[in-house]
Amino acid sequence: AQSVTQLGSHVSVSEGALVLLRCNYSSSVPPYLFWYVQYPNQGLQLLLKYTSAATLVKGINGFEAEFKKSETSFHLTKPSAHMSDAAEYFCAATASGGYNKLIFGAGTRLAVHP
Amino acid sequence: EAGVTQFPSHSVIEKGQTVTLRCDPISGHDNLYWYRRVMGKEIKFLLHFVKESKQDESGMPNNRFLAERTGGTYSTLKVQPAELEDSGVYFCASSQQGFGTEAFFGQGTRLTVV
Repeated sequence: AQSVTQLGSHVSVSEGALVLLRCNYSSSVPPYLFWYVQYPNQGLQLLLKYTSAATLVKGINGFEAEFKKSETSFHLTKPSAHMSDAAEYFCAATASGGYNKLIFGAGTRLAVHP
Repeated sequence: EAGVTQFPSHSVIEKGQTVTLRCDPISGHDNLYWYRRVMGKEIKFLLHFVKESKQDESGMPNNRFLAERTGGTYSTLKVQPAELEDSGVYFCASSQQGFGTEAFFGQGTRLTVV
């Protein structure tokens, strides 16, 4: 069965430090991949998506992710963390079948401290 | 343009009672999805509508859950009778046709069964 694994349920960084949130997927066929963010008391917001075009994808708020087929990974990075980046981040992959059903990872809560 | 709207935002009910959650998708989005996140675990797919038809309901936990989408517009998810393990956050999402198109999520309904 397809799965998405996010390594680390909690990540803490200092303001200005590099943010790296890890995501690995399992699929025989590379899926489309997404990163969503959930700020407190809000819904899920799309950060970026990979749909088989460029392997390095740039998203909103300075985030980017690189699709690496050989590693079945889609890690999310941001060069310099800001306090406003504190939120929960979800990696998701499209399930096989031709529609947009998503398989989510368990989420990573990012804390940013001064 | 209005986003995906869910009602209510919170619901606390007693075990054995009935609860109905509502989702209004973005106008013109044929695809509507229900997802659920239980106890901080991964967000799991429940079902998928294409217009008024159920395309995939493989994620529905059991027959206590009933989803409808009248006229291909808004959708309701009824839980009857509710059990303690049904507690969680229920998300609705909608998307246009096309594989890999972005799914827009609502803020979710936090359901607590006591």
